[in-house]
Amino acid sequence: DAKTTQPPSMDCAEGRAANLPCNHSTISGNEYVYWYRQIHSQGPQYIIHGLKNNETNEMASLIITEDRKSSTLILPHATLRDTAVYYCIVRLNYGQNFVFGPGTRLSVLP
Amino acid sequence: DAGVIQSPRHEVTEMGQEVTLRCKPISGHNSLFWYRQTMMRGLELLIYFNNNVPIDDSGMPEDRFSAKMPNASFSTLKIQPSEPRDSAVYFCASSLDRYSYEQYFGPGTRLTVT
Repeated sequence: DAKTTQPPSMDCAEGRAANLPCNHSTISGNEYVYWYRQIHSQGPQYIIHGLKNNETNEMASLIITEDRKSSTLILPHATLRDTAVYYCIVRLNYGQNFVFGPGTRLSVLP
Repeated sequence: DAGVIQSPRHEVTEMGQEVTLRCKPISGHNSLFWYRQTMMRGLELLIYFNNNVPIDDSGMPEDRFSAKMPNASFSTLKIQPSEPRDSAVYFCASSLDRYSYEQYFGPGTRLTVT
């Protein structure tokens, strides 16, 4: 079973920041938070991951709360091409497979 | 790099027929994963290989499904006999090792069994 809870859908205006929340209240101390996304008719694509510090790469930023029970993926300037299903996954770095839940369907609107 | 290559992209077959899906992982990647995606069940891991050896096949739904990886650059997922409930999109993914943070997914094979 997925260890995360995400809203089923969200809208965001093009050019605005998209903030996608994820709850993982049962996360253990050595589990990481991963984000993948799946654009329609394509395979999932890795976005970012983190343990407890905030992380940023060329695609997005990941903000993890101090108690690590929730996190937010931020797409700073959403474009129409960011319309996709976004998956938040909690996993040990070693010893577990990725378990994909239903994710959040993000629609970026013109 | 060409990425993960899957063939065919679309397959339509009749119930009872044998179906073979193919995957070429990214060169240098040691782990290969087969997933299935349906509206009802989402994205599920079927089986994965590490260094061409099957490590975990607990996700394979039943004996009609089998997977092989004869060498580092090729894997097959076979369904024999196929049934309508096998209709799904099948993804192959590869990664540097089995617990790498980044899995690279192929474009998928959309299977329809009538």
